[in-house]
Amino acid sequence: KQEVTQIPAALSVPEGENLVLNCSFTDSAIYNLQWFRQDPGKGLTSLLLIQSSQREQTSGRLNASLDKSSGRSTLYIAASQPGDSATYLCAVRLYRGSQGNLIFGKGTKLSVKP
Amino acid sequence: DVKVTQSSRYLVKRTGEKVFLECVQDMDHENMFWYRQDPGLGLRLIYFSYDVKMKEKGDIPEGYSVSREKKERFSLILESASTNQTSMYLCASSLLRTSRTGELFFGEGSRLTVL
Repeated sequence: KQEVTQIPAALSVPEGENLVLNCSFTDSAIYNLQWFRQDPGKGLTSLLLIQSSQREQTSGRLNASLDKSSGRSTLYIAASQPGDSATYLCAVRLYRGSQGNLIFGKGTKLSVKP
Repeated sequence: DVKVTQSSRYLVKRTGEKVFLECVQDMDHENMFWYRQDPGLGLRLIYFSYDVKMKEKGDIPEGYSVSREKKERFSLILESASTNQTSMYLCASSLLRTSRTGELFFGEGSRLTVL
């Protein structure tokens, strides 16, 4: 059974620091992996989607990498800002045919201190 | 930009009441989903739909039903609300076949409290 783990559950860093959030999954037969951001009491906002054939995706100060063989993805945030404070979740999609098979991690709660 | 709109941000209902949660998306997405999110348990899939009038059970369908009469609208129904259904409910949608197949777009969430 596919399991998605995000460690640590919480992270606090000073403003300006570069940081890495981790996501690991047990079954490497994934179709894609998506990173989300969630602000308190709100829905999820899609940040980056990496297809299984890709190694990384970039959007502004965010860079997500994918290593299927090791079952890992990382989300790199450059020059962190207080506005980056939120919970970050990753989710893997197991295979193309099943839209319902999206497995979420429980998230890393990031706090960026001014 | 994709817009997924959930009709109610906050609801308070009593045990035994029938509850409707509505979700509308404006991007002609084939797939729509209902999740619930609880502290320590993460997101869990309740139901999803890949076409009008089509539905499939997710991981925790007990106590819920859904309706998809139009492509843009997906409703979650609690026939008889119970206190253990107090939760944040999240609707999402995605395209079926594009280069970004499977990218999920979420609504703002509906916080339901059952007393």
